[in-house]
Amino acid sequence: DTEVTQTPKHLVMGMTNKKSLKCEQHMGHRAMYWYKQKAKKPPELMFVYSYEKLSINESVPSRFSPECPNSSLLNLHLHALQPEDSALYLCASSPLPGLAGGLRTDTQYFGPGTRLTVL
Amino acid sequence: ELKVEQNPLFLSMQEGKNYTIYCNYSTTSDRLYWYRQDPGKSLESLFVLLSNGAVKQEGRLMASLDTKARLSTLHITAAVHDLSATYFCAVDMGGLVFGKGTKLTVNP
Repeated sequence: DTEVTQTPKHLVMGMTNKKSLKCEQHMGHRAMYWYKQKAKKPPELMFVYSYEKLSINESVPSRFSPECPNSSLLNLHLHALQPEDSALYLCASSPLPGLAGGLRTDTQYFGPGTRLTVL
Repeated sequence: ELKVEQNPLFLSMQEGKNYTIYCNYSTTSDRLYWYRQDPGKSLESLFVLLSNGAVKQEGRLMASLDTKARLSTLHITAAVHDLSATYFCAVDMGGLVFGKGTKLTVNP
């Protein structure tokens, strides 16, 4: 099983709402990632979890709050978002953490993404 | 700050022709990744290049890595319409740092 799943596929929320994105993998990977991709742009790294601990936060605003409850699950909690936060949110996992974790990573497997629209 | 530069950013190809996409990066790295993205879809891993001189081939695509020149290439042989997509190279800095992508369109 080389699949990363993400729910929901689509999400529309108002600026005052609180919502969560969910990502799951059962490949035994110990590194998980959140990326944000705006239209016609490359993905941009948001957060990296290594062995369930936050290892990289790319200066992401606090209205985005990641959580890694266990080695298979990664959440992204959303609160008081702005319309400019509308994007495709991609989750990925890899067998080992990357360079910043002191170990080398293999291929990152991406989930299908959640397309978020903030009204 | 790491920079990953791809060129060209747009590539319109005729079926049956060959072409190369270039990826330059600004920091020392011996791992380089290539991904494909179809419109509205997620990223599909194509190649992981693990060391200097690495060459990998899959179908009509061949990727290579020169870590001394900090250059990777993705060569397309005898393009077919199915290859139309956006191709990204990426360098590992704990998480991946992507180039801007090359939008490839293969015309009949």
